Amino acid sequence: NAGVTQTPKFQVLKTGQSMTLQCAQDMNHEYMSWYRQDPGMGLRLIHYSVGAGITDQGEVPNGYNVSRSTTEDFPLRLLSAAPSQTSVYFCANQRSGLGGDTQYFGPGTRLTVL
Amino acid sequence: AQSVTQLGSHVSVSEGALVLLRCNYSSSVPPYLFWYVQYPNQGLQLLLKYTTGATLVKGINGFEAEFKKSETSFHLTKPSAHMSDAAEYFCAVMPGGTSYGKLTFGQGTILTVHP
Repeated sequence: NAGVTQTPKFQVLKTGQSMTLQCAQDMNHEYMSWYRQDPGMGLRLIHYSVGAGITDQGEVPNGYNVSRSTTEDFPLRLLSAAPSQTSVYFCANQRSGLGGDTQYFGPGTRLTVL
Repeated sequence: AQSVTQLGSHVSVSEGALVLLRCNYSSSVPPYLFWYVQYPNQGLQLLLKYTTGATLVKGINGFEAEFKKSETSFHLTKPSAHMSDAAEYFCAVMPGGTSYGKLTFGQGTILTVHP
């Protein structure tokens, strides 16, 4: 089993460009989420989904869109990239929405916006 | 709302010395607590977690942590550091109940191990 996979590993964008970060899982977990990691700030929740067709905002949702059409996939879209979105992005999943379940993280996508 | 504070953004120890990484949290409901480790250019890996029951939790690689409700702390310890323990460590809190996986992370502590 691959677990949680993310593509691409690295990406460079120019300001104003759009792109989609891909996240896929083969664990059949209900819950998926996106975080961004910035130095000295830990990880901050961008968006999350408790199942196919259901998404909600996290702590820092501005500038990002998500959708969840299948259990397996949870893409993150940047509609108009800004330098402030330079960060490392992690996708994670969790078996259910119950507290205490372990979240499993993908390897990350390092994004630079020029 | 919950928050997590990790005391010390950098901790340096000698190989064989005690490792102590501090974490304090605030939560309006009894929390679930986690420690994750991140090696360079990798994702996060769960070290250990506290949900219910015994307050002393043992994890992988010889690490353990103790949940102290009265002190709102969940410090991570290891009796003897190895060079391979050099990494960044994150403490995280999740509210109790059906919290939809909303993990709140601390700022992270970079552990350096000297020979």
